[in-house]
Amino acid sequence: SQQGEEDPQALSIQEGENATMNCSYKTSINNLQWYRQNSGRGLVHLILIRSNEREKHSGRLRVTLDTSKKSSSLLITASRAADTASYFCATVLSFISNFGNEKLTFGTGTRLTIIP
Amino acid sequence: EPEVTQTPSHQVTQMGQEVILRCVPISNHLYFYWYRQILGQKVEFLVSFYNNEISEKSEIFDDQFSVERPDGSNFTLKIRSTKLEDSAMYFCASRGLDEQFFGPGTRLTVL
Repeated sequence: SQQGEEDPQALSIQEGENATMNCSYKTSINNLQWYRQNSGRGLVHLILIRSNEREKHSGRLRVTLDTSKKSSSLLITASRAADTASYFCATVLSFISNFGNEKLTFGTGTRLTIIP
Repeated sequence: EPEVTQTPSHQVTQMGQEVILRCVPISNHLYFYWYRQILGQKVEFLVSFYNNEISEKSEIFDDQFSVERPDGSNFTLKIRSTKLEDSAMYFCASRGLDEQFFGPGTRLTVL
């Protein structure tokens, strides 16, 4: 079983619509971070949500975390063509299991395409 | 805004050759990481580094790999004898408190 799995694997929507991507994980976490990756490029940090938080906002981004279901969602509102990218969730395991190392375990990603 | 930088952006090498990938983390960060991403696959953790020593390494990080912080700013990943399967995008990341910030990556192509 993998620590982070996103769904859907691919999502195409019209510009202006909202895009929702989901992430599930297996073990207890300290925090969960979302990243964006344009094709062949680096990883851009979007937002971090801690295990004791349920929702965070940043501009057009809204992230939720449900630790009882071990899942998170990323909502992008009023999508733009520039939002076309792959989106990854990455988890940091709880301190008990990572000795403070805080390595990231990435999911498989959602490929988002915004149609102009 | 401070950012992580990596050089070179693309490295082509022959199988068996040594390569050194360089990173300059964000200046006040204390935790450093290398990850890699084989084309079409997920990003994988290689190694973490803190207080001038490795704090954790993955199964991928075998004896062919090493990391070093030779001075106060650079953080390097060395692959001693490259294999075809080492072809990937290599990302450096640094962390201050919680968020890990990634560099743009070095695309390594082993022929």
